[in-house]
Amino acid sequence: GDSVTQMEGPVTLSEEAFLTINCTYTATGYPSLFWYVQYPGEGLQLLLKATKADDKGSNKGFEATYRKETTSFHLEKGSVQVSDSAVYFCALILLKAAGNKLTFGGGTRVLVKP
Amino acid sequence: DAGITQSPRYKITETGRQVTLMCHQTWSHSYMFWYRQDLGHGLRLIYYSAAADITDKGEVPDGYVVSRSKTENFPLTLESATRSQTSVYFCASSDRTGLGEQYFGPGTRLTVT
Repeated sequence: GDSVTQMEGPVTLSEEAFLTINCTYTATGYPSLFWYVQYPGEGLQLLLKATKADDKGSNKGFEATYRKETTSFHLEKGSVQVSDSAVYFCALILLKAAGNKLTFGGGTRVLVKP
Repeated sequence: DAGITQSPRYKITETGRQVTLMCHQTWSHSYMFWYRQDLGHGLRLIYYSAAADITDKGEVPDGYVVSRSKTENFPLTLESATRSQTSVYFCASSDRTGLGEQYFGPGTRLTVT
């Protein structure tokens, strides 16, 4: 079945450090890919997405490129802030997914220290 | 207020009791979802609904019941709560045109004693 694998956390960084969170996927078709972020005490919110190979999604200084050849969608940010401390979820959906259901990775907790 | 809301935000109940978690969205989104979030298990889909009166099981439906008589509401009922249902529950909604773009509520933290 379809699945998403993320690097396990927690990832602890200092402010202004470079962040990478690895995400790879397995899918029977051509999925759209997403990164969701969950700030402490809140629900998830969409951070960025990419709908086809070589697309780059970006938002709030975060970027991720849809790499079909490596089935990956790694999240990067060049200079993190304390406010980026959150749990990040990689997810996929197939075009014909029943019920518009997402397949989520396990989440990666990121802690940015001042 | 516009958006997606959940109530209550916190609930403590005893084993064996029935409890209902409410979810309300103001966007008239077609799809609604219930997830539970547990340490070590990430986010797991309990039930989802494609429209009013249409519901279907997700990954972990046992012990839960849902209904959707109105588009904007999607209550989740634990018919006889167990300790294993202690969790944080999230409701989400999405439009038919926004493939994969789900909007999440703030969550309900449920403790079953």
